[in-house]
Amino acid sequence: SSELTQDPVVSVALGQTVRITCQGDSLRKYYASWYQQKPRQAPLLVINPKNNRPSGIPDRFSGSSSGNTASLTITGAQAEDEADYYCNSWDSSGNHLVFGGGTKLTVL
Amino acid sequence: QVQLQESGPGLVKPSETLSLTCTVSGDSISSYYWSWIRQSPGKGLEWIAYIYYSGSTNYNPSLKSRVTMSVDTSKNQLSLKLSSVTAVDTAVYYCARTGYYSDSSAYYFFDLWGQGTLVTVSS
Repeated sequence: SSELTQDPVVSVALGQTVRITCQGDSLRKYYASWYQQKPRQAPLLVINPKNNRPSGIPDRFSGSSSGNTASLTITGAQAEDEADYYCNSWDSSGNHLVFGGGTKLTVL
Repeated sequence: QVQLQESGPGLVKPSETLSLTCTVSGDSISSYYWSWIRQSPGKGLEWIAYIYYSGSTNYNPSLKSRVTMSVDTSKNQLSLKLSSVTAVDTAVYYCARTGYYSDSSAYYFFDLWGQGTLVTVSS
């Protein structure tokens, strides 16, 4: 099991807001980055550890953190946002990187 | 436009060494960090290692005893070797340009990915 825990499945109605979370002890000290992966595609960075969006990522994507939880929020989810989402940060030792187990987002 | 292209055998026999190359085009490999990440079929992402163009490395402790990552700046390539493979090493292997910044801590993130290459371990 991963040191970063994500809900395996999350659903959201079209146009509504959804928050995808990533929990882990290391997140009390370190920030996370977030990746979107659609079927048969390579992952895509959507939020970097500064909680900034790379060029080309819609502004409906935002990142935040509190305590041991990092969150990816999609404000006004679109059908094309249906994908797997992964968080990444340092492990509890602070020496190695680790991914969360991933969240499958379904847009209803 | 920067592009990353993984290459290598698609089939490796158990106990042998998996060897992959990632060719970077459109930019110099220098001045960046680079990573390998894999994804077993139907599973999540697993970080394998990152390397700085100067050669300093950081390996996933669960794979460290079997992994070697290197860069060839003259060819603008990075490589991955994973020894003593078994079926559990069957995965899509991605190379990724790795961004870095530091405030009170150092942060790495994967801002550009190759398309990935499937490696199957089977006799």
